[in-house]
Amino acid sequence: LAKTTQPISMDSYEGQEVNITCSHNNIATNDYITWYQQFPSQGPRFIIQGYKTKVTNEVASLFIPADRKSSTLSLPRVSLSDTAVYYCLVGDYYGGSQGNLIFGKGTKLSVKP
Amino acid sequence: DTGVSQDPRHKITKRGQNVTFRCDPISEHNRLYWYRQTLGQGPEFLTYFQNEAQLEKSRLLSDRFSAERPKGSFSTLEIQRTEQGDSAMYLCASSHPGQADNEQFFGPGTRLTVL
Repeated sequence: LAKTTQPISMDSYEGQEVNITCSHNNIATNDYITWYQQFPSQGPRFIIQGYKTKVTNEVASLFIPADRKSSTLSLPRVSLSDTAVYYCLVGDYYGGSQGNLIFGKGTKLSVKP
Repeated sequence: DTGVSQDPRHKITKRGQNVTFRCDPISEHNRLYWYRQTLGQGPEFLTYFQNEAQLEKSRLLSDRFSAERPKGSFSTLEIQRTEQGDSAMYLCASSHPGQADNEQFFGPGTRLTVL
């Protein structure tokens, strides 16, 4: 499975846009890119998934360049409640895969007032 | 059904004791996963069920660990002869194969402390 590299921590202020970049140089053709969010003492929560170009939902946007060797999770206008750990995952999760998730250490985002 | 539930939420035990955790997945989800998470690390995959069949086990799952899902609904994870290194958060997740993104829904976890 492709290994991911992301910053250990990031700081931001309320109302700012936050971009968290993840590197996955060895991504395979069948791999998707998925981001999860985890608050303290809770299980992770799915945020967004994409294969290429741009994906947007009500929570975030995911930008994936043509070579797919990296991806950027964009959180618009963060609030204090967005303080959490964000995990970037890469794997073949679609159509027949067993789907066990491979988490790294994630990026700890701290949003300050 | 409001989501994945796990019981107990916290468990403190003495080294050498056996412990059992329960996970109730979202009712229509036939896939169920167990993960373990230690402080400062991301969750690590332990094992996976599709219906009642245990299809994959991680090397992390030593012979002291056993998981069951007898009727394809709830699952139990038992740890025998607990060790201090077993102290962690044990997370359960479920998913439905019909979902294109294989989104996994996680429970709140069971925090195990082995003294």
